Amino acid sequence: DIQMTQSPSSLSASVGDRVTITCRASQGIGNSLAWYQQKPGKVPKLLIYAASTLQSGVPSRFSGSGSGTDFSLTISSLQTEDVATYYCQKHNSAPHTFGQGTKLEIK
Amino acid sequence: EVQLVESGGGLVQPGWSLRLSCATSGFTFSSHWMSWVRQAPGKGLEWVANINQEGTEKEYVDSVKGRFTISRDNAKNLLYLQMKSLRAEDTAVYYCARDHVAPGIIFDSWGQGTLLTVSS
Repeated sequence: DIQMTQSPSSLSASVGDRVTITCRASQGIGNSLAWYQQKPGKVPKLLIYAASTLQSGVPSRFSGSGSGTDFSLTISSLQTEDVATYYCQKHNSAPHTFGQGTKLEIK
Repeated sequence: EVQLVESGGGLVQPGWSLRLSCATSGFTFSSHWMSWVRQAPGKGLEWVANINQEGTEKEYVDSVKGRFTISRDNAKNLLYLQMKSLRAEDTAVYYCARDHVAPGIIFDSWGQGTLLTVSS
């Protein structure tokens, strides 16, 4: 099975910072990668799919890139409401594995 | 508005069986793949199972194969997860999730979850 590895596991940044989270697949998955945001005590929310397609209603400060095995989620200007754990997920074939998560905090 | 409401969780002993349900509304249920995703306390997300629109294709994570069965009732807009031989490691919040119309299994709407605790 393909493993999904995120880095870093946790991250602290200041409001207004540009933040990047990476996700690496153990084998190529094309562009079949999604990103989710889970705020503390809340349900996960889809941010991006197909590596770079922004889900409807998601702020444009979020963007995704990558293909094959290396992907990234970028927040162009960090806001306080972006405090959350972010997960990547491969969506091409089963098992539809998630990364272990990256916890983002405000410095 | 898309709504997914899970029910059926609770405290059970190892080896027991339980069925989770997910009542859906606000969209054409029969047009979407559906999934169950779980999250153990303080841990990350784990996809558990999914089912196609007709209920004829089903996929499972290895750790639940042979123990869990996903099913659906398109007439009632309901999704189910039948679980047997439950283990302590099945303890988690179980989310019902709708699949996006884009290719692949992408979870675009989630329920609030139902907590299953497996403990003696």
